Amino acid sequence: KAGVTQTPRYLIKTRGQQVTLSCSPISGHRSVSWYQQTPGQGLQFLFEYFSETQRNKGNFPGRFSGRQFSNSRSEMNVSTLELGDSALYLCASSLEGTELPFDTQYFGPGTRLTVL
Amino acid sequence: DAKTTQPTSMDCAEGRAANLPCNHSTISGNEYVYWYRQIHSQGPQYIIHGLKNNETNEMASLIITEDRKSSTLILPHATLRDTAVYYCIASPPYSGAGSYQLTFGKGTKLSVIP
Repeated sequence: KAGVTQTPRYLIKTRGQQVTLSCSPISGHRSVSWYQQTPGQGLQFLFEYFSETQRNKGNFPGRFSGRQFSNSRSEMNVSTLELGDSALYLCASSLEGTELPFDTQYFGPGTRLTVL
Repeated sequence: DAKTTQPTSMDCAEGRAANLPCNHSTISGNEYVYWYRQIHSQGPQYIIHGLKNNETNEMASLIITEDRKSSTLILPHATLRDTAVYYCIASPPYSGAGSYQLTFGKGTKLSVIP
């Protein structure tokens, strides 16, 4: 089974621009979460989507947004980019089934965003 | 989620067992211990999880103390490819009733030495 895929893998933008990152979850997985990883702050949770609805949100400004499509694929958008937005953006998917005794998240390779 | 404490870094000789400790003294009864690892600039990789009993899979073994206040991840025969940052996370299991969010700490940087 294919893993979580993220596109693009690398991106360079300038301050003030906006960016859209894409994530395709593992086939059959219905929950998609996004994380930001920086050297200073480590891995931080951005938000989680399930059934095209944002279900949980971390402590990030409104410039960070996302959406999920009916096929569970997800995108995240960052508007008005700042230098501090340079980071590795990670997407993770989980199966999300009420019959499961246990579930966990499986991460993609990430998108490396550099803001100049 | 319960807070976890791990050593900042560890070295291990190639071919030897790597034993990575984790303290989670405030873990609650319904929280699992998860281990992930992250090889440089890649996404975190799930390794193993446990609640009370020791667990083993094709990647590693997880030893949880009887009081559940600490655990040890064991890589039985470390290779150079095991060089990574290892994260220990204590979190409630997915319940199907709500969203799922992992809280990562700083982790342990394991260096496997030839």
